[in-house]
Amino acid sequence: QKEVEQDPGPLSVPEGAIVSLNCTYSNSAFQYFMWYRQYSRKGPELLMYTYSSGNKEDGRFTAQVDKSSKYISLFIRDSQPSDSATYLCAMIGNTDKLIFGTGTRLQVFP
Amino acid sequence: DADVTQTPRNRITKTGKRIMLECSQTKGHDRMYWYRQDPGLGLRLIYYSFDVKDINKGEISDGYSVSRQAQAKFSLSLESAIPNQTALYFCATKVGETQYFGPGTRLLVL
Repeated sequence: QKEVEQDPGPLSVPEGAIVSLNCTYSNSAFQYFMWYRQYSRKGPELLMYTYSSGNKEDGRFTAQVDKSSKYISLFIRDSQPSDSATYLCAMIGNTDKLIFGTGTRLQVFP
Repeated sequence: DADVTQTPRNRITKTGKRIMLECSQTKGHDRMYWYRQDPGLGLRLIYYSFDVKDINKGEISDGYSVSRQAQAKFSLSLESAIPNQTALYFCATKVGETQYFGPGTRLLVL
């Protein structure tokens, strides 16, 4: 079993939709949780970073962490075609190693 | 943002050739990382370095070597390239608990 599981998609939604991206994990030592966005032929770009359980909001993006269920989510409100990318969850615990999900490919069509 | 640059951006080589991928960062961060990305497998850690004298193997170090020539430079070498090393390679630096990635090198081994 992988430490981090992420549905690869692709996820295709119309412009303006609310998007929910999710990851589950098995290692209870994970403490820091990140979401990266990766456009085609580009490096991953840090989008959101959270430490504790609960919600963190940044513009149209909300990151949610539920440590009791070992489940994290990224919500995108009012999705735009420019949000079309691959979204990678990542997490780190008591080692220096960042563990990534495999990424979910999102397409937002006009 | 950690201003990570990678060269070359694209490289085609033949089986058995030795090649080097280079990474530089301008912010003076201590920790640097090399990852490879393959479809369906996400990002996997090859090597990481805490400083010039501290190099560590990651998840998939076989067939690779690294050199930390200076705090700002971290190079990845494929001693004898093979086709299954065809992938996208990313360098990253660590800032706090998060990592910032370079634009990547797309490597094709024929």
